[in-house]
Amino acid sequence: QVQLVQSGAEVKKPGASVKVSCKASGYTFTSQYMHWVRQAPGQGLEWMGIINPGGGYTNYAQKFQGRVTMTRDTSTNTVYMELSSLRSEDTAVYYCARGISGYAEWEYWGQGTLVTVSS
Amino acid sequence: QSVLTQPPSASGTPGQRVSISCSGSSSNIGINFVYWYRQFPGTAPKPLIYRNNQRPSGVPDRFSGSKSGTSASLAISGLRSEDEADYYCAVWDDSLNGVVFGGGTKLTVL
Repeated sequence: QVQLVQSGAEVKKPGASVKVSCKASGYTFTSQYMHWVRQAPGQGLEWMGIINPGGGYTNYAQKFQGRVTMTRDTSTNTVYMELSSLRSEDTAVYYCARGISGYAEWEYWGQGTLVTVSS
Repeated sequence: QSVLTQPPSASGTPGQRVSISCSGSSSNIGINFVYWYRQFPGTAPKPLIYRNNQRPSGVPDRFSGSKSGTSASLAISGLRSEDEADYYCAVWDDSLNGVVFGGGTKLTVL
């Protein structure tokens, strides 16, 4: 069965970077895109970007361009989302979700990773 | 402020039918598929409606989706207490070249 397992909660200081991982299993890793979506406490969902694990193609939401980097490791079936220059407003739960490019279609989601940015 | 507009709240009594709207534009809802997700507190969102009006397996036919022009709506009939959750619409936006969400609607079953 398809599973997306994310890394554990993180606490970071303002200005630091965080790297969240999402390990995929139960399907051909390189055949499906991976999206990243975040949700600040008590707020709605926000799309951050997408990576094609097959070729490494990425597309980032304009809001995060210059601060986010999505990468993948095909040897471990893992995708990573790194966000730099963290500020308090980046405190959120970060989700990976398996999907396709050009559609908001996600059947499988990771469990979420809470990133807290606090001095 | 979200690109897609949803009412922040909706409510109904058990057995009633409720509808949640999602308003967008010609660059998103007008030309692409709309998706609906349901989220319970502390959990990841789960798909409710795919591609405007398709239900994933396991989603009861009490849930239905529709789209007209640059708006979409989710209808829930035979409301149950377990339907209390947050509901989000989502769609690809060709101008932004990315996914946009509605702000979410909190459904309360009275």
